Amino acid sequence: QLQLQESGPGLVKPSETLSLTCTVSGGSISSSSYYWGWIRQPPGKGLEWIGSIYYSGSTYYNPSLKSRVTIFVDTSKNQFSLKLSSVTAADTAVYYCGRQRYDYHSGGYYYLSGVDYWGQGTLVPVSS
Amino acid sequence: QSVLTQPPSASGTPGQRVTISCSGSSSNIGSNIVNWYQHLPGTAPKLLIYGTNQRPSGVPDRFSGSKSGTSASLAISGLQSEDEADYYCAAWHDSLKGYVFGTGTKVTVL
Repeated sequence: QLQLQESGPGLVKPSETLSLTCTVSGGSISSSSYYWGWIRQPPGKGLEWIGSIYYSGSTYYNPSLKSRVTIFVDTSKNQFSLKLSSVTAADTAVYYCGRQRYDYHSGGYYYLSGVDYWGQGTLVPVSS
Repeated sequence: QSVLTQPPSASGTPGQRVTISCSGSSSNIGSNIVNWYQHLPGTAPKLLIYGTNQRPSGVPDRFSGSKSGTSASLAISGLQSEDEADYYCAAWHDSLKGYVFGTGTKVTVL
């Protein structure tokens, strides 16, 4: 059974960089047809997709966060990681990692689809 | 703010049918498949519907998805107390080249 687990500092100060790692077990991060993504939920708000990465390093990012986000993969450790720079209180959220399907559209393009496996999530407060 | 709009809440009594709408555009729902997630407080979201109307293994057939034009719907028939949760639609957005979630709908079982 595929399992994902987020890890990282429990608290980040404003203006600093938030760093999280997702460790995948029970399967290979180098699987074809899947990207590996980050999703967050600020307190009292809805889900927000942050970005996703393929094992080759190809990425998609949420345009609203793109200038501050970097996602990278370490296939040797079966891990992928998130860095979010210049954080503010608005970045306080539960951060989830997940496996996201990657499909080919009949219209001639690839697209990201459902997140079928999720980590348990980790709350990252941004506070001084 | 999300480009997929859902009603903030929906409710029903046990056994009733509840429908949740998700309104988008030609750049997302109109041209791509829709996914639905169930999110219980304190747990990870769960993929409920993929490919607009397909259920992953283990999801009861009480849950069904559909799409018409630039809108999608999730129907819960035979509502049960354990269905009380937040529900989100999601889809690929062509021009943004990103995955977008809906605003979310809280379902209450009366």
